[in-house]
Amino acid sequence: EIVLTQSPDTLSLSPGERATLSCRASQSVSSSFLAWYQQKLGQAPRLLMYGTSVRATDIPDRFSGSGSGTDFTLTISRLEPEDFAVYYCQQYGRSPITFGQGTRLEIK
Amino acid sequence: QVQLVQSGTQVKKPGASVKVSCKASGYTFTNYGISWVRQAPGQGLEWMGWISTSNGYTYYTQKFQGRVTLSTDTSTSTADMELRSLRSDDTAVYYCARDLDIVVATAVDYWGQGTLVTVSS
Repeated sequence: EIVLTQSPDTLSLSPGERATLSCRASQSVSSSFLAWYQQKLGQAPRLLMYGTSVRATDIPDRFSGSGSGTDFTLTISRLEPEDFAVYYCQQYGRSPITFGQGTRLEIK
Repeated sequence: QVQLVQSGTQVKKPGASVKVSCKASGYTFTNYGISWVRQAPGQGLEWMGWISTSNGYTYYTQKFQGRVTLSTDTSTSTADMELRSLRSDDTAVYYCARDLDIVVATAVDYWGQGTLVTVSS
């Protein structure tokens, strides 16, 4: 199975700053079948991006995704207070579908 | 609006079975697959399997093969997940989620609220 390793485990930033979250795959993710989710405490995850760089419905344009092969990035251009949460990447190009372990984005 | 509403919290003893239901509304049920994902307390997300709501085709991760059964009832737009031979490490919140596709498992765009299953003697 494809193992996804996210870095860093925790990212401490201030509102207004730029956040860069990384997701590295143990094998190439075919056709960029890579998604990102945001999860706040006590809530279900929310889809942010799929197909590496396609924003899901109602996701603001401060979120962007990039990458290919084994290296993928989620960028939040200017952090808003509501962006502090845990972020997961997911690959769905090869079964079984797998998730990264998550990056916690916390307020500095 | 799209909604997935799951059944409530359950407490089970080791060795028992649990069934979690997920009722969909606000869209054509048979146009999208349903995935099941679980999250142990304080842990990350774990994908369990997927079902095509149009033909009932299922895919289960190897970890859950033989212990889990996914099913749907298109007349009620409901998807069910049954997990058998429960162990304490099956304690988790179980989510159903709508896939972006109907042919294969993909990313999921709408999630149920989650169902806490506690396995304890």
